[in-house]
Amino acid sequence: AQSVTQPDIHITVSEGASLELRCNYSYGATPYLFWYVQSPGQGLQLLLKYFSGDTLVQGIKGFEAEFKRSQSSFNLRKPSVHWSDAAEYFCAVDVTGGGNKLTFGTGTQLKVEL
Amino acid sequence: GAVVSQHPSWVICKSGTSVKIECRSLDFQATTMFWYRQFPKQSLMLMATSNEGSKATYEQGVEKDKFLINHASLTLSTLTVTSAHPEDSSFYICSAPTSGSGTDTQYFGPGTRLTVL
Repeated sequence: AQSVTQPDIHITVSEGASLELRCNYSYGATPYLFWYVQSPGQGLQLLLKYFSGDTLVQGIKGFEAEFKRSQSSFNLRKPSVHWSDAAEYFCAVDVTGGGNKLTFGTGTQLKVEL
Repeated sequence: GAVVSQHPSWVICKSGTSVKIECRSLDFQATTMFWYRQFPKQSLMLMATSNEGSKATYEQGVEKDKFLINHASLTLSTLTVTSAHPEDSSFYICSAPTSGSGTDTQYFGPGTRLTVL
């Protein structure tokens, strides 16, 4: 079965600093890959997704992610973090091809220091 | 973007009682919805797929008699936790897909916090 690993449970960065959240997946082929953000009281919001093509994907709120097949990774990056980015971030995969049956990682809690 | 709501946002009940959680797609129709469960500090686990007009599909290990799902309309799915016990306390989240770019985009509800005493 597929699995998703987010090795960092908590990350703290200073406002304005760059950010990279790691995500590795275990699956024989290339799954559909997603990054979601979860803020208290709000539903998970899709930041970006990768299905095929260009391995560098641009998302909302200034986020981007790069798919690296050789490393089975899909790391999320942002060049300059804002205090409002503090939230929990989930990487997810879907191997069914429809974008529906998601397997989530355990999440990374991001704290932003002012 | 599309909006999915859940009601209630939190509920406390006594052990042995049943609790119903609603999931609504507010501005789009969804023939399929998904129910997830999230334990504190853990990931979301897919519980079941709710299908409008037909039986739900449950993931392995999820008791279908414990978690009753009804998808009576194109905008509403309900999850009923029957004879709830403290171990059922969790955060329940629903999602509904819309189609776009050749594959579905999931929109998630804000979740329902269930506490069973």
